[in-house]
Amino acid sequence: AQSVAQPEDQVNVAEGNPLTVKCTYSVSGNPYLFWYVQYPNRGLQFLLKYITGDNLVKGSYGFEAEFNKSQTSFHLKKPSALVSDSALYFCAVRDGTGTYKYIFGTGTRLKVLA
Amino acid sequence: GAVVSQHPSWVICKSGTSVKIECRSLDFQATTMFWYRQFPKQSLMLMATSNEGSKATYEQGVEKDKFLINHASLTLSTLTVTSAHPEDSSFYICSARLPGVQETQYFGPGTRLLVL
Repeated sequence: AQSVAQPEDQVNVAEGNPLTVKCTYSVSGNPYLFWYVQYPNRGLQFLLKYITGDNLVKGSYGFEAEFNKSQTSFHLKKPSALVSDSALYFCAVRDGTGTYKYIFGTGTRLKVLA
Repeated sequence: GAVVSQHPSWVICKSGTSVKIECRSLDFQATTMFWYRQFPKQSLMLMATSNEGSKATYEQGVEKDKFLINHASLTLSTLTVTSAHPEDSSFYICSARLPGVQETQYFGPGTRLLVL
């Protein structure tokens, strides 16, 4: 069965420091992986995705993620965190059964401290 | 590009009334849209998949007669919460699928429903 795990409920990082938000997945077939960010009382904003190609994917707002097939991971990273990056981050994998549904992780709250 | 809107952004209604929420893809055609529900501090729960021109596919445990979905055009899907009750109060979010090589779901801003 397809699944996504975000092992950390919350990540705290000082402004200017690098940040990592972890995601691991389990999927049959080739994974389609996504990261979204949600600000309070808002919908989800697309950050980046991996479908095929380079394992290092660059996305919006300076975020990037590395697809690691052997570790079945897709961690979100940013070299230098901003206070404005504080939000709820969701990792998702597309269901491999042809329904185009996404399976979401439980979310990780990122708090960037000034 | 790939903008999805929802209307209304928030609604307060009395118990027993019906509420309609619209989801529109503004700059692309979406044969498939999705409706999610999100409880406070929780992840998104997929309610149903809305396919243009056909009946929606509901997830297990979601009452199709309670949550009516209509996908009348390639840019519009509606969710109607019928005979709303306080337990239906939630944050409802739609998404529209951009198919092909751009395979991505783009999300609307959400609708906050409060049933009194």
